[in-house]
Amino acid sequence: KNEVEQSPQNLTAQEGEFITINCSYSVGISALHWLQQHPGGGIVSLFMLSSGKKKHGRLIATINIQEKHSSLHITASHPRDSAVYICAVTPFYGGSQGNLIFGKGTKLSVKP
Amino acid sequence: NAGVMQNPRHLVRRRGQEARLRCSPMKGHSHVYWYRQLPEEGLKFMVYLQKENIIDESGMPKERFSAEFPKEGPSILRIQQVVRGDSAAYFCASSPNLMAKQFFGPGTRLTVL
Repeated sequence: KNEVEQSPQNLTAQEGEFITINCSYSVGISALHWLQQHPGGGIVSLFMLSSGKKKHGRLIATINIQEKHSSLHITASHPRDSAVYICAVTPFYGGSQGNLIFGKGTKLSVKP
Repeated sequence: NAGVMQNPRHLVRRRGQEARLRCSPMKGHSHVYWYRQLPEEGLKFMVYLQKENIIDESGMPKERFSAEFPKEGPSILRIQQVVRGDSAAYFCASSPNLMAKQFFGPGTRLTVL
């Protein structure tokens, strides 16, 4: 079992729909990250959070530390939101906290 | 303030050759991370460096791979005697300190013929 699991793997939505992507993890963490990978391959860090909720424009990220679960929401989705969304965690265990453990990503396609 | 720079963006090597991938972190960032994304797979951590020091190389293959981040100049990920299985996208990220958000470079796509 992967330490970071995302669902769904693939998601198709109509423009304007509210979108939720889920992430569950099984290790103790100091932070959770949401990343966006564009079709061209570039990666943008959307959020880094360790508790509660963060909002940036139409994007909202929440985390429940007790349940080891995070969600990424996109309101009023747009075709330009089409990308792969990746959940990653900074684990507590051993060694440094410098590495990230990544989920396999959720491929989002928003149709006009 | 320029973002994280990586070069080359695309690199083609024949089996047995060496590949050198460069990463210039954002100004003021002294922490550098290297990740690999194999075709159709997720990102995997390789190595974490702070100026002149390797902090965590637990994700890096024991043979043929090495990384450095000298006092002056970019961080270098070096792959000796490349094999076809090394073909992947290699991403570098940087941060100003350990607990800060990481900023990613555009990646280097390595193809081994």
